[in-house]
Amino acid sequence: EAGVAQSPRYKIIEKRQSVAFWCNPISGHATLYWYQQILGQGPKLLIQFQNNGVVDDSQLPKDRFSAERLKGVDSTLKIQPAKLEDSAVYLCASSLAYSETQYFGPGTRLLVL
Amino acid sequence: GNSVTQMEGPVTLSEEAFLTINCTYTATGYPSLFWYVQYPGEGLQLLLKATKADDKGSNKGFEATYRKETTSFHLEKGSVQVSDSAVYFCAQTNAGNMLTFGGGTRLMVKP
Repeated sequence: EAGVAQSPRYKIIEKRQSVAFWCNPISGHATLYWYQQILGQGPKLLIQFQNNGVVDDSQLPKDRFSAERLKGVDSTLKIQPAKLEDSAVYLCASSLAYSETQYFGPGTRLLVL
Repeated sequence: GNSVTQMEGPVTLSEEAFLTINCTYTATGYPSLFWYVQYPGEGLQLLLKATKADDKGSNKGFEATYRKETTSFHLEKGSVQVSDSAVYFCAQTNAGNMLTFGGGTRLMVKP
């Protein structure tokens, strides 16, 4: 069974530029999550989708971050404009259902200069 | 709110030594508890989990027991190997299935 796919794996941008990350969850997984992991810290949830609806986005900085999962399968996370403090690894995870174990992708490492 | 606290690293051990990584949590209700592992250059992998009090999760020689009375979920392994070198994260989920992670503990095992 294929795991959670993410791209790109690495991205370097200048501050104030925009960037987008893509995630394809495990086939059949209804719930999708985006996490931000700053170096030396544990991951922090940004947003959770159930199919194509948002369940929780309370920790998403909505002035600059946006995410969508239009067809209930893959998802895109965007940052516009990026700040230096956005440098982190962005992890996507999926679970079969709302209360099931989450499986993580390899992450996208973002460096904002 | 819900939180997870785990011992700071790095933890440096010799091969075949006994490992304990402490983890405590605060939560309303009865969370599920997890240990995830992150090997160098890789994503998070689920190591083990426990969903109710007194449950023991185990995998690859690692064990952790859900202790409600002490709000703890300490990770143990009887004999570590060099290949166990990684960062270990303790985590819990609330009713909304949102994972709250501890800060991670880096384990380094020397031959």
